[in-house]
Amino acid sequence: GENVEQHPSTLSVQEGDSAVIKCTYSDSASNYFPWYKQELGKRPQLIIDIRSNVGEKKDQRIAVTLNKTAKHFSLHITETQPEDSAVYFCAATYTGGFKTIFGAGTRLFVKA
Amino acid sequence: EPEVTQTPSHQVTQMGQEVILRCVPISNHLYFYWYRQILGQKVEFLVSFYNNEISEKSEIFDDQFSVERPDGSNFTLKIRSTKLEDSAMYFCASSDDRGSYEQYFGPGTRLTVT
Repeated sequence: GENVEQHPSTLSVQEGDSAVIKCTYSDSASNYFPWYKQELGKRPQLIIDIRSNVGEKKDQRIAVTLNKTAKHFSLHITETQPEDSAVYFCAATYTGGFKTIFGAGTRLFVKA
Repeated sequence: EPEVTQTPSHQVTQMGQEVILRCVPISNHLYFYWYRQILGQKVEFLVSFYNNEISEKSEIFDDQFSVERPDGSNFTLKIRSTKLEDSAMYFCASSDDRGSYEQYFGPGTRLTVT
């Protein structure tokens, strides 16, 4: 079945450093790739997304890259701040039916 | 800003009982979803719903689960005979059909089966 692999499971960085989270998807029909931030006890919140016809997208300190051939996509956070500490989930969606498969999550710790 | 709402915030039920989780999607949205998240684990897709029918469902969404849009505003998830392993946070989400694929999540209902 469809699967999304996400690495690393835990990431600890110093404030101001960059953080990179990588995902691989299996369903070649996937064409929409959102990234969510989830704080403890809260709902997932979309932080950035990318469609399959785009290779890279940036929004201030956050960027996402997509390699459709390799079925890889990555989240890059620059100049990390303590408030970036949370669990981050990648996801892959086929917009034909909107079945969305999530990765296992990355717990990001940003140390002040 | 409009938000997805869910009730109740916490539901405790006994094994074998039926539960109905309720969601009010954003008013002009036409796509609706249910997800579940077991404590400390990933978000799992259950079902997507459009035009009064299921678009996609996962292997988790078996005969014990059903969804309904009983009126113009509510979207419900029913679990017929709850099991201990159904204990999880259940999130409802909605999205529009105007080209943005963004799904807006509700705050969740924590279901505890005892």
